Amino acid sequence: DIQMTQSPSSLSASVGDRVTITCRASQSISSYLNWYQQKPGKAPKVLIYAASNLQSGVPSRFSGSGSGTDFTLTISSLQPEDFATYYCQQSYSTPDTFGQGTKLEIK
Amino acid sequence: QVQLLESGPGLVKPSETLSLTCSVSGVSISSYYWSWIRQPPGRGLEYIGYIFYTGSTNYNPSLKSRVAISVDTSKNHFSLKLTSVTAADTAVYYCARGAAVSSSPLWFWGQGTLVTVS
Repeated sequence: DIQMTQSPSSLSASVGDRVTITCRASQSISSYLNWYQQKPGKAPKVLIYAASNLQSGVPSRFSGSGSGTDFTLTISSLQPEDFATYYCQQSYSTPDTFGQGTKLEIK
Repeated sequence: QVQLLESGPGLVKPSETLSLTCSVSGVSISSYYWSWIRQPPGRGLEYIGYIFYTGSTNYNPSLKSRVAISVDTSKNHFSLKLTSVTAADTAVYYCARGAAVSSSPLWFWGQGTLVTVS
């Protein structure tokens, strides 16, 4: 299985901050990397797909980059509704695997 | 719009079989990949496996010996069976839909259903 390692596992930040979350794959996954946002009690939802493509309806303050083994999710200016847990997921080879998650909390 | 809804017992005894169904509305179950994912309380996401509408399946090797996913195109639903459950299988179970290729993101998710093994 391809292992996905996210960092940090938790992060405290303020409204208006710029935040970056990283995800590293244990082997190359090309651009088959997706980012999800999950709020408490809710299912995850796609934010970014294929490493850098913004899902329809997702605010443009979210962006993704990377290819191969190293990827980043950036939120350019945190808004109150962005405090949630974020997961990366590789869909390059089965089984799909997720990172352990990054919990973004209000400072 | 596409909607997925998980259903099944919320409590299963140890050593028994967990059975869940995902009812799909707003789209035909044909032509897409359909997945199960679980999330233990307070923890991260674990991919269980997928089924294509043709019946082709792929499972997480860590669960492969205990898992079976099936599809019923006439009822527009697909199902999960997990045998010999233990407390470690306690989780919220989600069903989700990908695209027409197995390498797609999980675009649509059900609301999830908590299954407790006790």
